[in-house]
Amino acid sequence: GAVVSQHPSRVICKSGTSVKIECRSLDFQATTMFWYRQFPKQSLMLMATSNEGSKATYEQGVEKDKFLINHASLTLSTLTVTSAHPEDSSFYICSARGQSYEQYFGPGTRLTVT
Amino acid sequence: GQQLNQSPQSMFIQEGEDVSMNCTSSSIFNTWLWYKQEPGEGPVLLIALYKAGELTSNGRLTAQFGITRKDSFLNISASIPSDVGIYFCAGPRNSGNTPLVFGKGTRLSVIA
Repeated sequence: GAVVSQHPSRVICKSGTSVKIECRSLDFQATTMFWYRQFPKQSLMLMATSNEGSKATYEQGVEKDKFLINHASLTLSTLTVTSAHPEDSSFYICSARGQSYEQYFGPGTRLTVT
Repeated sequence: GQQLNQSPQSMFIQEGEDVSMNCTSSSIFNTWLWYKQEPGEGPVLLIALYKAGELTSNGRLTAQFGITRKDSFLNISASIPSDVGIYFCAGPRNSGNTPLVFGKGTRLSVIA
């Protein structure tokens, strides 16, 4: 149980375009989903907390207009990187939480902006 | 804010050896979680601890929730090559519906 999927696993896009990443909880309802960014050899950096049916809460320094988060259902959250630039290239990971504090992570999405 | 300090940062061990790593904080945590991340993958939950003093095992892995609620350790017995990865400790930032705080991780390398 507690499986979280992400799509796509890898994406390459041109500078200035937008990219959407999907995060799904496959076998449980996630009241809360989280989006993280991870740079090589570093820990996970929380970008935002997403609750179903409400606006996401962004961490300090994360541009909400650049990283659009939608949590339309208890099993799906999306992150859209708008007007992507090379510095947005990173490993993006979502996680989902049900009733307890345990978070289950997706396999991650490697974004490369050329 | 709350921070989790993990040690060691990295370790190289021989296959078959036991491993011990720990996580400390200046703040009290009511939950401790241990994750393992392999290259190019998301972290996988290994063990969750909810009670001070709790000792929980998952196969060759054993983790304990410190009595002071400010530390936790993770032991791996009889290491094998597939134990290679980064091990993160984590705990909820506050009570209620809050994000996790993560340590910086312990990178484990196993030499066959």
